[in-house]
Amino acid sequence: AQSVAQPEDQVNVAEGNPLTVKCTYSVSGNPYLFWYVQYPNRGLQFLLKYITGDNLVKGSYGFEAEFNKSQTSFHLKKPSALVSDSALYFCAVRDPAEADSWGKLQFGAGTQVVVTP
Amino acid sequence: ETGVTQSPTHLIKTRGQQVTLRCSSQSGHNTVSWYQQALGQGPQFIFQYYREEENGRGNFPPRFSGLQFPNYSSELNVNALELDDSALYLCASSRRGTTDTQYFGPGTRLTVL
Repeated sequence: AQSVAQPEDQVNVAEGNPLTVKCTYSVSGNPYLFWYVQYPNRGLQFLLKYITGDNLVKGSYGFEAEFNKSQTSFHLKKPSALVSDSALYFCAVRDPAEADSWGKLQFGAGTQVVVTP
Repeated sequence: ETGVTQSPTHLIKTRGQQVTLRCSSQSGHNTVSWYQQALGQGPQFIFQYYREEENGRGNFPPRFSGLQFPNYSSELNVNALELDDSALYLCASSRRGTTDTQYFGPGTRLTVL
């Protein structure tokens, strides 16, 4: 069974400082990994994904994430945070080896990011 | 290109009633997945539809059912509503066999009293 853990309920960072949101996963095979962001009373917006290839993936709004197979991690990063990055961030995993897994994402509990001016 | 849309935005029902939520998938997408997001939690996969058939289901009882139509839009039906069904219901569409990215709608906030 697949699972995702986001160990921090909240991350606080000052504007202009680097931002990191942590995610670890557990799947039986090679994972497909995703990051989404959710603003209040809104749906989820896609940021980036790792399917295969380069371990460092770049996404929307200056975000990037690094896939680390040995540590089973997929941390989200941004070199310089903005106040507008304050939102709820979700890591998600799909196990392509699982039957009927297309469209079935397992989400973490989410990490609230607060960027202060 | 239009994004994923959902209706209604908000809905209030009483325990025991039935509800239907609607989703229009993004242009060019043929797969729809539904998720339930309870307050303070991550989305939980309910089921997905492809070619008008349910094709994968999470740990939800049979009173959660759905439909997909030839134009790839979808409905989520919940019978015998319970208080714990109060949540944000998210629809996501994707195109099977391509980029594997799901795009989410804004959600329907269901409150069961």
